[in-house]
Amino acid sequence: EDQVTQSPEALRLQEGESSSLNCSYTVSGLRGLFWYRQDPGKGPEFLFTLYSAGEEKEKERLKATLTKKESFLHITAPKPEDSATYLCALNSGGSNYKLTFGKGTLLTVNP
Amino acid sequence: NAGVTQTPKFQVLKTGQSMTLQCAQDMNHNSMYWYRQDPGMGLRLIYYSASEGTTDKGEVPNGYNVSRLNKREFSLRLESAAPSQTSVYFCASSDRDGEKLFFGSGTQLSVL
Repeated sequence: EDQVTQSPEALRLQEGESSSLNCSYTVSGLRGLFWYRQDPGKGPEFLFTLYSAGEEKEKERLKATLTKKESFLHITAPKPEDSATYLCALNSGGSNYKLTFGKGTLLTVNP
Repeated sequence: NAGVTQTPKFQVLKTGQSMTLQCAQDMNHNSMYWYRQDPGMGLRLIYYSASEGTTDKGEVPNGYNVSRLNKREFSLRLESAAPSQTSVYFCASSDRDGEKLFFGSGTQLSVL
């Protein structure tokens, strides 16, 4: 059974304090790993898709990386507007009906 | 660009009542999905529609029915609401199955 575990559950940072969120997974065959951002009262918003170990993608202060067992979302010099819940989702069947979502990491960035 | 629009945003039902959650997307996407999100749990797929005219069960379909009315619209119906269906419901769409999802803003449903 595919499993996705995100850690930590919650992370509090000071503005400018860089850190990383972790998404560890077990899967028989990875077809894609997705990162989403979710603001309170809103639906998740797509950030990145990673397909193979060693792949990296960047967007502003965020960088996502992938190994054979886990993915990291690195946040460099975060700002208060980066505060949100970050969700990781695993696609093992090449279809969205086989997406497995993690429970998310709630990130709070204090000014 | 509206993207994915869900109505209503909030709803309170009594046990046994029925209701339909509406979803429409204006991105000409083929695939549409209904998820529920509960505290301490990841998003779970209720039903999906890979294309107009087709629907299939997801991980937690019991107690729900869906209709893919046309390419734009995908509705979720609760025939006899139960307290266990208290949740936040999200509709999503994608251009092709397996591609990134675009989510609506959600419906917060409480069943008393």
